[in-house]
Amino acid sequence: QKEVEQNSGPLSVPEGAIASLNCTYSDRGSQSFFWYRQYSGKSPELIMFIYSNGDKEDGRFTAQLNKASQYVSLLIRDSQPSDSATYLCAVNESNQGGKLIFGQGTELSVKP
Amino acid sequence: GAVVSQHPSWVICKSGTSVKIECRSLDFQATTMFWYRQFPKQSLMLMATSNEGSKATYEQGVEKDKFLINHASLTLSTLTVTSAHPEDSSFYICSAAWAGKNIQYFGAGTRLSVL
Repeated sequence: QKEVEQNSGPLSVPEGAIASLNCTYSDRGSQSFFWYRQYSGKSPELIMFIYSNGDKEDGRFTAQLNKASQYVSLLIRDSQPSDSATYLCAVNESNQGGKLIFGQGTELSVKP
Repeated sequence: GAVVSQHPSWVICKSGTSVKIECRSLDFQATTMFWYRQFPKQSLMLMATSNEGSKATYEQGVEKDKFLINHASLTLSTLTVTSAHPEDSSFYICSAAWAGKNIQYFGAGTRLSVL
């Protein structure tokens, strides 16, 4: 059973702090890794994707990938109350034509 | 960015009726579309994968005769919930990806309530 594990939270951080979200996956053949943000009652929105080991930065967001450890993370710098949402980690299922395996999501709460 | 339109955004129907949900890729050709269901406080559950011009591939436990999927063109896929019952009430979300890309872009979702 291929799995993606996330801490469900809630993760609470003060406004302006760095929020760190973590994810581990079991499928060693996975090549593509995604972070989606989902506000309550809404559909997921793509935040970041990463394919190679190391860091990828986009504005206040940094995705980090370590394939050897089967670990992917998302850092949110200067967290804002509007960042409060559930963050879904998704990993492509190898040899399955683009199918993604989603984690349960981490609920982030940024306190003003 | 890639835009996926899903319609309707919410629907209320009586038990036993059928409901059709449309998913359109507006600015790209979607070779593959995915249909998910999400219950409150749970993650996305993939129901089926749909490729243009071919039959959908359903996940284990998903009744293909209950959830009819059609992907007739590179920009449109439809999900029909046939003979809906209250237990089918859920948030249905489609996503679309184009050839050679693993990136899925999601529609806004359809909230179905079956009375």
